[in-house]
Amino acid sequence: AQSVAQPEDQVNVAEGNPLTVKCTYSVSGNPYLFWYVQYPNRGLQFLLKYITGDNLVKGSYGFEAEFNKSQTSFHLKKPSALVSDSALYFCAVSMDSNYQLIWGAGTKLIIKP
Amino acid sequence: KAGVTQTPRYLIKTRGQQVTLSCSPISGHRSVSWYQQTPGQGLQFLFEYFSETQRNKGNFPGRFSGRQFSNSRSEMNVSTLELGDSALYLCASAPPGLAGGLVDTQYFGPGTRLTVL
Repeated sequence: AQSVAQPEDQVNVAEGNPLTVKCTYSVSGNPYLFWYVQYPNRGLQFLLKYITGDNLVKGSYGFEAEFNKSQTSFHLKKPSALVSDSALYFCAVSMDSNYQLIWGAGTKLIIKP
Repeated sequence: KAGVTQTPRYLIKTRGQQVTLSCSPISGHRSVSWYQQTPGQGLQFLFEYFSETQRNKGNFPGRFSGRQFSNSRSEMNVSTLELGDSALYLCASAPPGLAGGLVDTQYFGPGTRLTVL
């Protein structure tokens, strides 16, 4: 069965420090991997995706993620956190042959000044 | 381009009533998906429509239904509302996938906050 895991409910980081939000997945075949962010009382916004090619993907707002096939991970990273990065982050996976996105439970990121 | 719009933004209903939510996708997008988001269950997929046909369906009871019109606008209906249906309902549209694939980036609307009393 396909699944996505975000092992941390909440991540706390001091402003200016690097941040990592973890995501691991389990699918058969080649995955399409996505990160979305949700600010309070808002819909989800696309951050970045991995389809194929370079394992390091750069996205919006200075975020990047690295696809690691051997570890089945797609962790979201940013070199220097901003207070405005505080939000709920979702990892999702789909397969080319099956439209349905499988979503992680979300990780609340809190950046403290 | 205008983003995904959802109406109404807020809705209060009582148990047993029914409700219809509306979603207008980004122009040119033919795929529309619906999600239910609750604090306890997270983001759960309801169904997806493509060119007026339901292409995928999540694990929700038959009280939840939807449809898509020829202009790609979509509606979601929930009948016989229960307290547990209180949630943020999100709609997302997507362009055709890359290289013949079925899915690419989804673009979400702001959601409809449904409260069932």
